[in-house]
Amino acid sequence: DVKVTQSSRYLVKRTGEKVFLECVQDMDHENMFWYRQDPGLGLRLIYFSYDVKMKEKGDIPEGYSVSREKKERFSLILESASTNQTSMYLCASTQGYSEQFFGPGTRLTVL
Amino acid sequence: DQQVKQNSPSLSVQEGRISILNCDYTNSMFDYFLWYKKYPAEGPTFLISISSIKDKNEDGRFTVFLNKSAKHLSLHIVPSQPGDSAVYFCAASAKDYKLSFGAGTTVTVRA
Repeated sequence: DVKVTQSSRYLVKRTGEKVFLECVQDMDHENMFWYRQDPGLGLRLIYFSYDVKMKEKGDIPEGYSVSREKKERFSLILESASTNQTSMYLCASTQGYSEQFFGPGTRLTVL
Repeated sequence: DQQVKQNSPSLSVQEGRISILNCDYTNSMFDYFLWYKKYPAEGPTFLISISSIKDKNEDGRFTVFLNKSAKHLSLHIVPSQPGDSAVYFCAASAKDYKLSFGAGTTVTVRA
């Protein structure tokens, strides 16, 4: 059974803070993804990675960066959090061309 | 520009009846389609998928239909159960690792 875990379920940060969201998967998947989910907009892809140290921009990468130093771990970084980054953040992983498995999500509130 | 559209934000159905969720797409390169189910405060879970070489795929109470000429797919849930109350996302892929998601449809199953 694939397990994708995220470091926090709920997070509250101040504007301007640097924020790290961590994601770990235990199935040796090559591909990992970060999405944000907002009402009426569905899931939007921020960044993805298809290999260690590789990253690709998704549809909305502005204000975010990522790090993938190990295959099982994919981190999302908000360099300077802003209120419009208040959202639900979802990490996912997949092997090859198949369905993605999602973590439980992190509800981030930026004050 | 959203390439996957779910035009009905909500659907209410009586327990035991059929739920029909619709999804339209604009990108003719999409060849793999998925439905995800999401409960509040949880990550999406994969429900069912269909490849563009098929027009129907069935898994228990869930059936997905694909009409490539109309760029339309639908999810049928028969019979609907109270545990089916959730947000359903349609997603599509174009032979790469990325998924494009619709905005979601909230299904409420009434007793």
